[in-house]
Order: sequence, then structure tokens, then C-alpha cells
Amino acid sequence: KAGVTQTPRYLIKTRGQQVTLSCSPISGHRSVSWYQQTPGQGLQFLFEYFSETQRNKGNFPGRFSGRQFSNSRSEMNVSTLELGDSALYLCASSPGGLIHEQYFGPGTRLTVT
Amino acid sequence: AQTVTQSQPEMSVQEAETVTLSCTYDTSENNYYLFWYKQPPSRQMILVIRQEAYKQQNATENRFSVNFQKAAKSFSLKISDSQLGDTAMYFCAFMTGNQFYFGTGTSLTVIP
Repeated sequence: KAGVTQTPRYLIKTRGQQVTLSCSPISGHRSVSWYQQTPGQGLQFLFEYFSETQRNKGNFPGRFSGRQFSNSRSEMNVSTLELGDSALYLCASSPGGLIHEQYFGPGTRLTVT
Repeated sequence: AQTVTQSQPEMSVQEAETVTLSCTYDTSENNYYLFWYKQPPSRQMILVIRQEAYKQQNATENRFSVNFQKAAKSFSLKISDSQLGDTAMYFCAFMTGNQFYFGTGTSLTVIP
């Protein structure tokens, strides 16, 4: 099976712009989680989607949003970008209801200038 | 609030030696999972080992084993016979209610 894929892999944006990141889970996986990884802060949970519904949400401002499509692909959107949004954004997919079995994608490196 | 603490930002070990990475967590939950993930330089994060909190027996995966002390909320990772390919960032993580909480990571370097 193909692994989790994320596009684009690298992105440079200007402060104030918005960005959309995409994640395609492993075939058959129905849950997708998103994380922000920054040096010194580790991974911070953004949100998790299961069967097109957001099940969990971390402590991020409303500028961060996501959605999941019927084919389980997920997108994450960040509006009004700030310099502090520069990070590696990781998505992870899980087969079903309990996400204790998580497979990570390679990430999208976002740089905000 | 759930927190995961990795108090060793960087560690190094000689090839073929044994190293232990520390992790403590805080939660009021009874049902949860604990994990160690490995993120090699510029490569994808992969699962090293997983422990269910209700299991008293420590998990083992080849050269990797954990010391799970539930009362102390401690979950350390022992790597035996360290190899150059073990050089990576290691993250301790805790999952409850279908939400993951990660530590800030320990950068491990295996020295030839």
C-alpha cells in the first residue's frame, strides 16, 4: 500500500496570505490527524477528522481549519498567516475509530516571510 | 491537562552500547496508550513501540524496550546495541480520547 502523502512538500508564503495543505491517507484509512511541529515545541495537535467529521480539535486559533472529503483525503487551511506559523505540518492517518495506530506523512514545510 | 515531558533534549551513545531515553507524563485518565516515535533526519516519523496502559508487561520490539511505571507516570525507552541508523529525534507520546500529546523530543546521536 502507498503511504501517507502530503502536498506540497515545501511552501513559502508571505505574512497575511492564506495557505491550503493537502493530505492523502493510506488507502482504507478513515481518520486523518494534523500536527504542527516546531523546534523546541515538539508536535502539537491541530485536529482530527473521521468520516468527514471533525472529532477532536487542539488549542489553535480559528485561523487554522480543516476538512475531510468522502475519499478520506484531508485539507488544512491557515488564513492570515503569521511569522509564527512557520513550521513542519504533519498529517497522520489511522485505519478506524481508535487512532492508536497512526502512520505519518513526510510533512509540508511552511515558511512564512 | 495532559502533558508529556522529555527532560533530555540531546543525548549521545557509542555504537553497540545501550541508552535510555526518559519520558514522564501527567494525566488523570485511566485508559490511555503510550508511544515512542522516531524521526530520522529529513525522514518520516515512524512508530518505535507502543504500550497500552492496562498492560503491566513492558512492551518490547527487538532492540527497543520500555520501562513503564504507571504509578510514577514514567515511560522510558531503552535502546540496546545502538546502531548508526538509530540516530534520530525520538518523541514520547500519550494518547487518550483519540487525541495525541507529544513531548518536545530527544535528539539521539549514535557515535561510531
